[in-house]
Order: sequence, then structure tokens, then C-alpha cells
Amino acid sequence: AQKVTQAQTEISVVEKEDVTLDCVYETRDTTYYLFWYKQPPSGELVFLIRRNSFDEQNEISGRYSWNFQKSTSSFNFTITASQVVDSAVYFCALSEAKSSGSARQLTFGSGTQLTVLP
Amino acid sequence: DSGVTQTPKHLITATGQRVTLRCSPRSGDLSVYWYQQSLDQGLQFLIQYYNGEERAKGNILERFSAQQFPDLHSELNLSSLELGDSALYFCASSPQGGRGNEQFFGPGTRLTVL
Repeated sequence: AQKVTQAQTEISVVEKEDVTLDCVYETRDTTYYLFWYKQPPSGELVFLIRRNSFDEQNEISGRYSWNFQKSTSSFNFTITASQVVDSAVYFCALSEAKSSGSARQLTFGSGTQLTVLP
Repeated sequence: DSGVTQTPKHLITATGQRVTLRCSPRSGDLSVYWYQQSLDQGLQFLIQYYNGEERAKGNILERFSAQQFPDLHSELNLSSLELGDSALYFCASSPQGGRGNEQFFGPGTRLTVL
């Protein structure tokens, strides 16, 4: 069975600090996808990134970066120079990579509440 | 804006009642997923439809059912409601093949059972 663990329940930082959100996953599949979603106070779930199991190259998008390490089953998310608008709950998720149309539901971690203080 | 729409945004009802939540996927997406977000269970997958057919079931109660119509919109029916069914219900849709498995979520329907 798939499992995603986000051990950090809450993190609080001061604006402009860097912060890393941890994600550890378990799966027996050799092919899978990992995701990060953001849930701001307004409640919607916003897609941030998708990474497949074959691509261990780290990715950077503006102030966001992701570190995928298959050897440790981790997919960590770093926000550089955090801003108050980054305050949200961040979810890591995992899904199998079956063919189009097959069951590909997301298994979510419990989320990390990030608070960025001014 | 993800392109996925859900109605209603808020729903307040009483125990024992039945409600229907509606979801319209992004244009062109054939897969629709329903998730429940509650304080004690977190975000849980309920059920998936693909082009009108049920494809996967998660932790969906027997009191809950869903369907996807020919125009691809989906409805989640919740009956004999209990206090514990109070939650945020999300619908998500995903493209067919190509871009992988990312799912785009609607704004959610917040259900309060009194």
C-alpha cells in the first residue's frame, strides 16, 4: 500500500527565511508520480509540481525548489526567502503511473501548516 | 482558477438528510475524482470515474454514491447524513495521458451536518 508521511505538522518562520518541508513516501511500485499541492487559507488545492520516479533531477521554480531522492524515498520542498503569502498548508502526494484512464488516485500526506510571520 | 467547478460552495443540512454535490471537470478532461477532507481523516480519495465508468473506489461509505454523466460532469450523493460527514469535499479532474497524472482541484464544497 502507498503511504506518504509529512512529519512536520506545523512550521513557523520569519519572512525572508528559507524553509524546507519534508516528505517521505512508501510504495511498492517502480513507476510512480510525486506531487506537491498548496492549500491557502481560502481552502482550494493548488497544484505546484509533479515529478515522476524516473526523473531525479532537482527542480527550481522561482523561490521554490524540490529535492527528489529515490534512495531515501524523499521528496522535499524548499521555499527560499519566504513571504507572508506563502502561509498555507502544503501537501505531498503520491500516485501510481498506470496507463491513461486507469485508477491513479492520489494518496496524500497529512500536510504541513506553514506560517510565515512578517 | 483550475477550471474545475463545484457547486454549491457551502451546504448546511441536518442529520439523516440527503445532499448532492456537483462537479464539472476542466474542458477535455475525462477523469473525475472525489476526495473528502476532514480534520480527523485528512485528505482521502473516495471514488474515480473515467468517461462515465467507475474506475476506482477508495474509502467511500455505502451511504455515498457517485456518477458521471455523458457530458462528463459528476455528482456525489451523500445520504443518511451523520455529524461525522461534515467535511470539505473536493472534485478533481485530470487529462487523458500525455501530461501524466496531475489532478486539478475544484474549490470544494464545504458540507456542515447539524
